[in-house]
Amino acid sequence: KQEVTQIPAALSVPEGENLVLNCSFTDSAIYNLQWFRQDPGKGLTSLLLIQSSQREQTSGRLNASLDKSSGRSTLYIAASQPGDSATYLCAVRGGSEKLVFGKGTKLTVNP
Amino acid sequence: GAGVSQSPRYKVAKRGQDVALRCDPISGHVSLFWYQQALGQGPEFLTYFQNEAQLDKSGLPSDRFFAERPEGSVSTLKIQRTQQEDSAVYLCASSLAQGLTYEQYFGPGTRLTVT
Repeated sequence: KQEVTQIPAALSVPEGENLVLNCSFTDSAIYNLQWFRQDPGKGLTSLLLIQSSQREQTSGRLNASLDKSSGRSTLYIAASQPGDSATYLCAVRGGSEKLVFGKGTKLTVNP
Repeated sequence: GAGVSQSPRYKVAKRGQDVALRCDPISGHVSLFWYQQALGQGPEFLTYFQNEAQLDKSGLPSDRFFAERPEGSVSTLKIQRTQQEDSAVYLCASSLAQGLTYEQYFGPGTRLTVT
């Protein structure tokens, strides 16, 4: 059974800092990995999707990497801003349609 | 265009009551998913439809949970005889078609509180 772990559970940083969020998964037979953002009381917003054949994806200040063989992904956020404060969720898709999520990392960026 | 919508956004039910949660997927999206997110946890898969066919219901926690999508568009998640452990946010997602390539788009969720 696939299990996804995210470390740390919570992170507080000053504005402007670069930061890394970690995601690990137990079964490396994944089709893709996705990073989401969740704001309080809101649904999930997709940030980046990495196919299993890819090593990384970039969007603006965000960069996500994937090392499928070791079961790890990182989300790098450059020059963090208070508006980046949210919970970040990692999810993997194996051979079925469903996504398997981690518990998330709650990020607070202080002005 | 419009995204996935869910109603109601908030629902308070007394233990033992039945509830019905509605999901309107993005127009034309074939696949529809339900997830349950308990406080402080990540979403967990409940069930999945392709058009009106329920192809996977392995995540439904008990026979009190029932989902339908009779015309292949709007879906309803019904919970009978609600229990306190059913308190969670229920998220609906849709995707354009079946297949691992297609991204899932999520609605805002329905927060269910059972008292």
